[in-house]
Amino acid sequence: DSGVTQTPKHLITATGQRVTLRCSPRSGDLSVYWYQQSLDQGLQFLIQYYNGEERAKGNILERFSAQQFPDLHSELNLSSLELGDSALYFCASSVGGADNEQFFGPGTRLTVL
Amino acid sequence: GDSVTQMEGPVTLSEEAFLTINCTYTATGYPSLFWYVQYPGEGLQLLLKATKADDKGSNKGFEATYRKETTSFHLEKGSVQVSDSAVYFCALRRNNAGNMLTFGGGTRLMVKP
Repeated sequence: DSGVTQTPKHLITATGQRVTLRCSPRSGDLSVYWYQQSLDQGLQFLIQYYNGEERAKGNILERFSAQQFPDLHSELNLSSLELGDSALYFCASSVGGADNEQFFGPGTRLTVL
Repeated sequence: GDSVTQMEGPVTLSEEAFLTINCTYTATGYPSLFWYVQYPGEGLQLLLKATKADDKGSNKGFEATYRKETTSFHLEKGSVQVSDSAVYFCALRRNNAGNMLTFGGGTRLMVKP
């Protein structure tokens, strides 16, 4: 158990809908990262937050957004969902914002029908 | 941009066989290199890492050496066990450039008794 929790574990929804994925980092970690793991794109970095501020952005679609709250938990919002958004979404956390080991949560599996 | 290429799986071995999973990378500068392991239904766990050329990372009988001249970080284990069955990801992180990880496509290892 890495100490990073993600909810829900599974999510099934329809095209065009909007969902919110939640992540609670390890106690004391200030940085949160979101990654998408899909069959065709592999494991890709989406976005990083550090202490409430966006720190780095990867291959995140405009339909996706994220935020980190004062209690350091983070939410990833996915809207206007398409079939291709079906994937496993991982959250990771680290103590600092750079050059620190990342600890991964168990992931949220999103299925868009 | 940065990229990581690793051998496609699945790799199927008998227990006690020797394991090699190849990984090569493309990146500017001298990144840090990692191997992560993903057991079924779980998030990624850091297996080992190396932060500079000629460093050898090792853990749980696995090892990998950072080879700058061949831009490689091949994973090896002398004698695999059934419990090593998992998906292995090679990854890099550019130093002093944030903490985002760039992953290879993953290699599934299946060890038969």
